[in-house]
Amino acid sequence: EAQVTQNPRYLITVTGKKLTVTCSQNMNHEYMSWYRQDPGLGLRQIYYSMNVEVTDKGDVPEGYKVSRKEKRNFPLILESPSPNQTSLYFCASSLRLAPLGEQFFGPGTRLTVL
Amino acid sequence: KNEVEQSPQNLTAQEGEFITINCSYSVGISALHWLQQHPGGGIVSLFMLSSGKKKHGRLIATINIQEKHSSLHITASHPRDSAVYICAGTSGNTPLVFGKGTRLSVIA
Repeated sequence: EAQVTQNPRYLITVTGKKLTVTCSQNMNHEYMSWYRQDPGLGLRQIYYSMNVEVTDKGDVPEGYKVSRKEKRNFPLILESPSPNQTSLYFCASSLRLAPLGEQFFGPGTRLTVL
Repeated sequence: KNEVEQSPQNLTAQEGEFITINCSYSVGISALHWLQQHPGGGIVSLFMLSSGKKKHGRLIATINIQEKHSSLHITASHPRDSAVYICAGTSGNTPLVFGKGTRLSVIA
């Protein structure tokens, strides 16, 4: 089944404790991205990647890192999480860059930073 | 910077009603996506369009690039259509810019 998977789905952590949210897609998509969703603000892009070893900042990249060592995986790293990073996170992929490609979203990761 | 505005923010309808959700954007775009976010949080892509009109079942999406406006219509609405509907636009190679969503509740 074609899908985007994220892990973990729920995470409660404390300020400063490094964490990684994994994202994997099995559709051989070139384009992958991370979004956060906050009440009243909607979805905002954190980082995106147009292919292996190619990543770029979105609208809200501060406090996050990403890597794209393999086509299927695009982990999101929070080196030192802070409470303002409490949010709902989505990974998404598309065959081509977003304008031309249907977006496939992961199920979301609800992160709480205490 | 491209801004994407949706209206209304909230919408309550009776089952069977015809529903329209609007999306307008401030600068030119080359493609616009309509997404559906279920009450459980999952997001599904409904349409991606760059001109004209697309139809899938009871859902119809239209776009007028010159007027910078798109609409999502739901015919014969049903309680299972209750969700948040989100539009997102992009121009060229720029990342998607999302509207804040329209929360739809369809009452039986």
